[in-house]
Amino acid sequence: DTEVTQTPKHLVMGMTNKKSLKCEQHMGHRAMYWYKQKAKKPPELMFVYSYEKLSINESVPSRFSPECPNSSLLNLHLHALQPEDSALYLCASSQREGNYGYTFGSGTRLTVV
Amino acid sequence: GEDVEQSLFLSVREGDSSVINCTYTDSSSTYLYWYKQEPGAGLQLLTYIFSNMDMKQDQRLTVLLNKKDKHLSLRIADTQTGDSAIYFCAETNPSNTGKLIFGQGTTLQVKP
Repeated sequence: DTEVTQTPKHLVMGMTNKKSLKCEQHMGHRAMYWYKQKAKKPPELMFVYSYEKLSINESVPSRFSPECPNSSLLNLHLHALQPEDSALYLCASSQREGNYGYTFGSGTRLTVV
Repeated sequence: GEDVEQSLFLSVREGDSSVINCTYTDSSSTYLYWYKQEPGAGLQLLTYIFSNMDMKQDQRLTVLLNKKDKHLSLRIADTQTGDSAIYFCAETNPSNTGKLIFGQGTTLQVKP
């Protein structure tokens, strides 16, 4: 298995909703990442987990809450989002933090209404 | 700080070669990458090059690295309409653990 799987592929949520994005990999990678990408822009790093511990938080608002329950799973909990949070949310993994060979998932397209 | 720059748009005819260029500022970069993103999709790693190499070839793709000028290029031979996408150059270095620094992306348009 050489993939990063993200669910759901599309999500529409209201500003008062709580939802979660899920990311899964079974490559034995010990670093996992959340990126946010706006249309026609490069991905922006949000969070890095290394060995299931939060390593980097790029000053992301608290309405985004990451969680790494085990070495294969990464979640992003969403609460009280704003319309400007609408974007493609990409998960990635690599063998170790900062290692070569980042593998990206196909993303969750989030629309906040 | 680190910066990665690319031209925003390139248009070629099917069958021609495409060359996408990238410059970076961090001389400590260890790995340099090319990612492809098709509309509505995630990022696909096309190839990467380690900073102690100056060339890497993989089928239709050739990566050239000029470390002195901090210049990276991706050449696609015999460009096909399926190559139409956004191509991102990216780099990592040990002092920025976990951070992939991306360029703005080059939109490649392939005309039949």
